Amino acid sequence: SQTIHQWPATLVQPVGSPLSLECTVEGTSNPNLYWYRQAAGRGLQLLFYSVGIGQISSEVPQNLSASRPQDRQFILSSKKLLLSDSGFYLCAWSTSWISYEQYFGPGTRLTVT
Amino acid sequence: QQQVKQSPQSLIVQKGGISIINCAYENTAFDYFPWYQQFPGKGPALLIAIRPDVSEKKEGRFTISFNKSAKQFSLHIMDSQPGDSATYFCAASGNQFYFGTGTSLTVIP
Repeated sequence: SQTIHQWPATLVQPVGSPLSLECTVEGTSNPNLYWYRQAAGRGLQLLFYSVGIGQISSEVPQNLSASRPQDRQFILSSKKLLLSDSGFYLCAWSTSWISYEQYFGPGTRLTVT
Repeated sequence: QQQVKQSPQSLIVQKGGISIINCAYENTAFDYFPWYQQFPGKGPALLIAIRPDVSEKKEGRFTISFNKSAKQFSLHIMDSQPGDSATYFCAASGNQFYFGTGTSLTVIP
């Protein structure tokens, strides 16, 4: 069966510090991968998606970047965090871009102080 | 532009009551409509889904009603329980995947 991992689970970082969040998927090959951000009490905002190694599409211009160094690894990064980067970050995968289901990881709670 | 409109934003229901969450869409290319359930601090999990060739799908206490002509679909939770308290997202999938804005459901004992 497929599983998706995210770490760390929680993170508190000062403004201006760098960020690296990691997501890995097990039990499937060549998944489509997604990064979402969820502000407190809000919906899901798609940040990035990837259909393959090294292929990243950005949905929202921002202070963040994403990379996919391996087939089942997706990384969300920032060089300098802003207060507005605080939120709940979710990684998800699907079997194809035109996929009927997305499967989410447990999320990372990021607080920028 | 919001591709999938969801209402209400929040909902409070008594235990044993029926919870109803509504979603609407415009793009007729959508051909799959899943619902996700998210508990606090957790990732959303697929709850139930429907295709537009059926008008209703039931799984236990959860039912999706689908009105293709009106381009609307809704989630009904029968005999709502405190354990159902969560945020619910509708979604629509076709050439892309879009989520609604979410409904925070609270079921009070």
